[in-house]
Amino acid sequence: AQSVTQLDSHVSVSEGTPVLLRCNYSSSYSPSLFWYVQHPNKGLQLLLKYTSAATLVKGINGFEAEFKKSETSFHLTKPSAHMSDAAEYFCVVRGNSGNTPLVFGKGTRLSVIA
Amino acid sequence: NAGVMQNPRHLVRRRGQEARLRCSPMKGHSHVYWYRQLPEEGLKFMVYLQKENIIDESGMPKERFSAEFPKEGPSILRIQQVVRGDSAAYFCASSPVDRATNTEAFFGQGTRLTVV
Repeated sequence: AQSVTQLDSHVSVSEGTPVLLRCNYSSSYSPSLFWYVQHPNKGLQLLLKYTSAATLVKGINGFEAEFKKSETSFHLTKPSAHMSDAAEYFCVVRGNSGNTPLVFGKGTRLSVIA
Repeated sequence: NAGVMQNPRHLVRRRGQEARLRCSPMKGHSHVYWYRQLPEEGLKFMVYLQKENIIDESGMPKERFSAEFPKEGPSILRIQQVVRGDSAAYFCASSPVDRATNTEAFFGQGTRLTVV
């Protein structure tokens, strides 16, 4: 079975400083990985997804993630945090065939301090 | 192309009543998933449906909960005889027919159920 572990439940950064949200996955085969963001009382929006075409994946709003098979990691980064980045971020893995359900990590709450 | 539409956005029910949550997938999407989010937790998978079929209900509680996705109309998540522990945000997601494992799911804004 697939699973993801988000290593930090809460990350706090100052505006303009880098963001690092950590995620490790467990899968018996090459996984499909995603990062979603959830703003307060809103739905979920896809930030980026790993397609196996490239290990460094660029997403929306300046976010990117690097797939590292040797470390079973898919950490989310952004060079410079903005106040509007404050939200809940979920690392997500999908099963080994199309349309199987997404499996969510517990989430990391990102706070951005002015 | 409208996104995934869920209604109502907020639902208040007294203990013992029934709750019906509706989800209209994106146009062209025939796969629907329901997730439940408790406070301070991630989303927990409940059920996966295609038109007129339940594909995977491994995350559904064995009692009081049911889901359907009829040939016509929205998908419905039904909770009978609600209890306070059912209070949560319920999210619906849809995806198109695609065998690629990297196909993302598109989420609605959720229904926040409060049981009083």
